[in-house]
Amino acid sequence: GDSVTQMEGPVTLSEEAFLTINCTYTATGYPSLFWYVQYPGEGLQLLLKATKADDKGSNKGFEATYRKETTSFHLEKGSVQVSDSAVYFCALSESSGGSNYKLTFGKGTLLTVNP
Amino acid sequence: NAGVTQTPKFRVLKTGQSMTLLCAQDMNHEYMYWYRQDPGMGLRLIHYSVGEGTTAKGEVPDGYNVSRLKKQNFLLGLESAAPSQTSVYFCAGYTPGTYEQYFGPGTRLTVT
Repeated sequence: GDSVTQMEGPVTLSEEAFLTINCTYTATGYPSLFWYVQYPGEGLQLLLKATKADDKGSNKGFEATYRKETTSFHLEKGSVQVSDSAVYFCALSESSGGSNYKLTFGKGTLLTVNP
Repeated sequence: NAGVTQTPKFRVLKTGQSMTLLCAQDMNHEYMYWYRQDPGMGLRLIHYSVGEGTTAKGEVPDGYNVSRLKKQNFLLGLESAAPSQTSVYFCAGYTPGTYEQYFGPGTRLTVT
């Protein structure tokens, strides 16, 4: 079955540091890939997505590129802020015919950014 | 628009009690999902629905039942709560082609 493996945290960075959170996946078909973010006490929000190989998703300074050859979708940001402190989830969804579009999640990575 | 809402936000149950969690959406989503979030486990799918009147099992369905009598509501029931069902429960809605599931704020359930 499908699975997502992401870097385990917690990750603690200073403001303006570079962020990378690794994510790799296994899937039977051609999945869409996502990064969701969960701020303290809230539900999940879509941060960015990529629906086919070589697509780059980007939002709020975060980027991730869909690499089919390495089955990866690593999240990066050049300069993190305190407000980026949250839990980040990598996820995939199969979009083949008859799919239920369910999300398969990684275990999440807690990011803390200190001033 | 309220988006996806969940009721209640918090609940404490004793082992063996029953309860129903309500998910409501005003975004006209065809698909709806119930996930549970446990520390170090990410989110796991409990049940889902692909339309009004339909339901199906997800990855961890045991001990839960669901109903979708109206398109805008998706109910999750616990008939006899167990401590292993202590978790945070999230509902989500989805419209095919949009590539984004919209999540509710969650319900924190503790079973003692």
